[in-house]
Amino acid sequence: QVQLVQSGAEVKKPGASVKVSCKASGYTFTSYDINWVRQATGQGLEWMGWINPNRGNTGYAQKFQGRVTMTRNTSISTAYMELSSLRSDDTAVYYCARGGGGAGRYYTGYWGQGTLVTVSS
Amino acid sequence: QSVLTQPPSASGTPGQRVTISCSGSSSNIGTNTVSWYQQLPGTAPKLVIYYNNQRPSGVPDRFSGSKSGASASLAISGLQSEDEADYYCAAWDDSLNGHYVFGTGTKVTVL
Repeated sequence: QVQLVQSGAEVKKPGASVKVSCKASGYTFTSYDINWVRQATGQGLEWMGWINPNRGNTGYAQKFQGRVTMTRNTSISTAYMELSSLRSDDTAVYYCARGGGGAGRYYTGYWGQGTLVTVSS
Repeated sequence: QSVLTQPPSASGTPGQRVTISCSGSSSNIGTNTVSWYQQLPGTAPKLVIYYNNQRPSGVPDRFSGSKSGASASLAISGLQSEDEADYYCAAWDDSLNGHYVFGTGTKVTVL
């Protein structure tokens, strides 16, 4: 069965960086995009961007351009999201989610369990 | 700031039908398909509708989706207590080099 297992909770100071991992299993890792979505406490879902694990190309939401980097290691079927220059309003649960459907028909069918990132001095 | 607008709340008694709307624009719902996600408290979102009206395996047929123009709807018929959750619509948006957008979310309460 498809599984996305994320790394554990992180506590970071303002200005630092955080790197969250997402290990995929149960399918061919290079066949589907990995998206990153975050959710602040009591707030809605916010899409951050995607990575194509096969070619390594990425697409980022305008809000995060210059601060987010998405990478992957195909040998261990793992995707990474690194967010830099952290601020208190980056405190949120970060999810990875497998993309599907293709152009114009996109959806995210499988989600990781989420990783809580807390930014506090 | 989401570009897909949903009502903040909806409610119904067990067995009733509840409908949630999702309003977008020509660059997202008007052009691309809509998916819907259910998020139970403290858990990750779960896909309940994709391609506007398709249910993934295991999702009860009480859940149905539709789309017309730049708007979409999720209907839950025969409402059950376990349906109490937050629901989000989503679609690809072709503006700004393309990005995925979520709705503002609707809290469904079973009375």
